[in-house]
Amino acid sequence: DAGVTQSPTHLIKTRGQQVTLRCSPISGHKSVSWYQQVLGQGPQFIFQYYEKEERGRGNFPDRFSARQFPNYSSELNVNALLLGDSALYLCASSSRGAQGTDTQYFGPGTRLTVL
Amino acid sequence: DQQVKQNSPSLSVQEGRISILNCDYTNSMFDYFLWYKKYPAEGPTFLISISSIKDKNEDGRFTVFLNKSAKHLSLHIVPSQPGDSAVYFCAATGRASGNQFYFGTGTSLTVIP
Repeated sequence: DAGVTQSPTHLIKTRGQQVTLRCSPISGHKSVSWYQQVLGQGPQFIFQYYEKEERGRGNFPDRFSARQFPNYSSELNVNALLLGDSALYLCASSSRGAQGTDTQYFGPGTRLTVL
Repeated sequence: DQQVKQNSPSLSVQEGRISILNCDYTNSMFDYFLWYKKYPAEGPTFLISISSIKDKNEDGRFTVFLNKSAKHLSLHIVPSQPGDSAVYFCAATGRASGNQFYFGTGTSLTVIP
């Protein structure tokens, strides 16, 4: 079975631009979470979606938004990019989401560089 | 506010010996804890987990210990192998946090052949 997939793998943008990152969860998983990992830190929670509804939001500005589609794939959008948005963006899927504690499985990530 | 802490940024161990990675947390509402392993340019890979109703969980060479009173967990790898060299993250979550995962800053393990 395929694991969590993310696209693109790498992306270079300039300040002020907008970016869309994509994620497909493990088959059968209904929950997708997004994390930002900057160098030297652990992943920081951005959003969680379960059954197409937002179930959690981390401490990120409104420039960050996300959505989940009927097939449970998800997109993360970041507007008005800043240099500090340069990071590895990770997507994780799980079966239960906020309905109960469950293991999250991560994709390979998208490396975003903002110049 | 760092709710999960890994105070050792790096650890070096000889092949065949035991590796012990430590993690502390502050939120007593966490009830599920996990360890992930991460290689460069890859996403974290799930390694082992433990529920707060247990104090030990084993999976092959990997054992996780949980001390709830001390809010401390540790990962033991025995015997350590060169392929275990990676960054290890601990994570904590719970129903009270809406299943949001909180990660430590990671410990870079180097197993010396």
